[in-house]
Amino acid sequence: NAGVMQNPRHLVRRRGQEARLRCSPMKGHSHVYWYRQLPEEGLKFMVYLQKENIIDESGMPKERFSAEFPKEGPSILRIQQVVRGDSAAYFCASSPRAGNTGELFFGEGSRLTVL
Amino acid sequence: GIQVEQSPPDLILQEGANSTLRCNFSDSVNNLQWFHQNPWGQLINLFYIPSGTKQNGRLSATTVATERYSLLYISSSQTTDSGVYFCAVETGGTSYGKLTFGQGTILTVHP
Repeated sequence: NAGVMQNPRHLVRRRGQEARLRCSPMKGHSHVYWYRQLPEEGLKFMVYLQKENIIDESGMPKERFSAEFPKEGPSILRIQQVVRGDSAAYFCASSPRAGNTGELFFGEGSRLTVL
Repeated sequence: GIQVEQSPPDLILQEGANSTLRCNFSDSVNNLQWFHQNPWGQLINLFYIPSGTKQNGRLSATTVATERYSLLYISSSQTTDSGVYFCAVETGGTSYGKLTFGQGTILTVHP
């Protein structure tokens, strides 16, 4: 059962380092979403991507965060110069289509700890 | 933006009890999903239910879109049901998977 695959499951970084989180959508899904769960907060939308296109990045912090979904390979969420406030669980989701989307399927999350 | 309110915020049950979790939302939706986040942090899809009623084993859900609420029923609860239950919705304004999550209901089931 090839669901949404995220790696690494856990990542520890020191302040100022870079974090890269990867997400492979379910087979046949071409729409990828990243959500963030900060401690003691609910999940919040960050970005929606299709292959080679960022469709909506309204939930992304303006600096240090970027996302891509290349033609080949997984989607990448990149956080440069991490700070302690970036410590959170980052969830990726995928969907087979947009427009009255239907169900989003979530991965198990990547937990980033910034020391 | 749309407001999503879940109740109760916390729920403690004995194994075998039944429960009802509620999700109210402030605008019309074209997507509504229920999730269970287990104690290990994994987010598990329970139901995709923008309207109507669905059942899956001991769990069932009903969404009354015209009255802007959804209910999740858990029957004969088990300790493995413990965790946080999230309701998430998407309004007609986006229609591409931009979900707004409620704050969740923390369920604890004691043996």
